[in-house]
Amino acid sequence: AQSVTQLDSQVPVFEEAPVELRCNYSSSVSVYLFWYVQYPNQGLQLLLKYLSGSTLVKGINGFEAEFNKSQTSFHLRKPSVHISDTAEYFCAVSDPVRGGYQKVTFGTGTKLQVIP
Amino acid sequence: SAVISQKPSRDICQRGTSLTIQCQVDSQVTMMFWYRQQPGQSLTLIATANQGSEATYESGFVIDKFPISRPNLTFSTLTVSNMSPEDSSIYLCSVKDSANIQYFGAGTRLSVL
Repeated sequence: AQSVTQLDSQVPVFEEAPVELRCNYSSSVSVYLFWYVQYPNQGLQLLLKYLSGSTLVKGINGFEAEFNKSQTSFHLRKPSVHISDTAEYFCAVSDPVRGGYQKVTFGTGTKLQVIP
Repeated sequence: SAVISQKPSRDICQRGTSLTIQCQVDSQVTMMFWYRQQPGQSLTLIATANQGSEATYESGFVIDKFPISRPNLTFSTLTVSNMSPEDSSIYLCSVKDSANIQYFGAGTRLSVL
C-alpha cells in the first residue's frame, strides 16, 4: 500500500514570498499524485494532479508541483503567496487506475499561514 | 467535476444518540466514499458505497457503528451511531472520476458532548 509523508505540519510565510510544501511518497513503479486544498470550513478541492507525462504540473491559483521519481517527491510550490492562500494542503497518492478503483492515501496535511 | 452537497453542515449531538449525514451528487456515480477527518489529522476512509450492494468497510470501521445506505446512483447516507466524544470529527462524502480524481463535499462538522 502507498504511504505519503508531509514533513511540515505548519508553514508560516509572509505575503508575496515564495513557498514550498513538501511531500514524499513510498516507492512504487508508477503512481498518481495529487494536491488538495482545504479552506476553513470547506471540503477538499483539487489543486493539481500528476498522472503521466511532464513532471512539472501546473494547477489552479498559480500553484505548481514537480514529480521527482528518483526522490519519490511531489513538492508543491508557489512563487508569490497571497493572504487567500491560507489553508490546509493535502498531498495524496494512489496506484495507477487499471480497470478499477485504486485507494487514495492522503498525507497528514500542511497548514499554510500567510502573514500580512 | 461533480458537485456534492452534504447535510447537515455541522451539528452538536449528545452522547449516545445517532446522526445521519446525507450526501447528494449532481450526476450518477458508481462509487461513493465516506471519510473521517479527526481534529489535526488527515482523512481516513471509512467505507466505499456502491449502489445496490453492501458498503465495504475499512479496517477499524464496522457497519453497526457506521451504517451506510446507497439507494440510488446520486445519493448516500452515513449514520454515526451511539455517539461518543471520540466521534467528534469532520465527515466527508466523496466521489471519483475515471482518473481516480476525488471530489469532496464541504463536510459535516460533528461535535459530541
